[in-house]
Amino acid sequence: DSGVTQTPKHLITATGQRVTLRCSPRSGDLSVYWYQQSLDQGLQFLIQYYNGEERAKGNILERFSAQQFPDLHSELNLSSLELGDSALYFCASSVSRGGNYGYTFGSGTRLTVV
Amino acid sequence: AQKITQTQPGMFVQEKEAVTLDCTYDTSDPSYGLFWYKQPSSGEMIFLIYQGSYDQQNATEGRYSLNFQKARKSANLVISASQLGDSAMYFCAMREGQTGANSKLTFGKGITLSVRP
Repeated sequence: DSGVTQTPKHLITATGQRVTLRCSPRSGDLSVYWYQQSLDQGLQFLIQYYNGEERAKGNILERFSAQQFPDLHSELNLSSLELGDSALYFCASSVSRGGNYGYTFGSGTRLTVV
Repeated sequence: AQKITQTQPGMFVQEKEAVTLDCTYDTSDPSYGLFWYKQPSSGEMIFLIYQGSYDQQNATEGRYSLNFQKARKSANLVISASQLGDSAMYFCAMREGQTGANSKLTFGKGITLSVRP
């Protein structure tokens, strides 16, 4: 167990639908990053939150949004899903108050859009 | 320009042999960090080794070592005494900015390593 928890592990949904992916960071970590891994695009950075605030944006579609809550867990919302959104979505956390700056990844959510 | 380049499409190594996985990077930031992750077929991302741009010595972690050549902007991963369980995809990644800065990791496209018995 890496300490970063992602739920659900698998998700199958239809085109046009909306889903929410959840991430609980490693205890004490303030930053949460979301990545999308697809066969053709590799690992793409989507968005980063630090202590509740958006810190950086990557190649995130307008149909996607995220937030980080006061307890530091984060949710990634994907709407109007398309077949091409099928991918493995990772959450990673870093920057603990104790000074550990390593990045720890969750086990990912595998999204299949049919 | 790509920030992380991993050009080897797939690598094969005999069990118990050493293997080198190549990674070159591009950044103008004097402070950066280089990471290697392993992704087995089960999908999780496993941290292997880290090298900071100001580190004087090459990083080592058990059977993993990083051949850091700053002038050439390369950070090759060396796995010694390969094991069957080393068969996986390997990703090189870079963080630009100072340690502790909230910077994302930029990943290469990865290299598939297959260990033959």
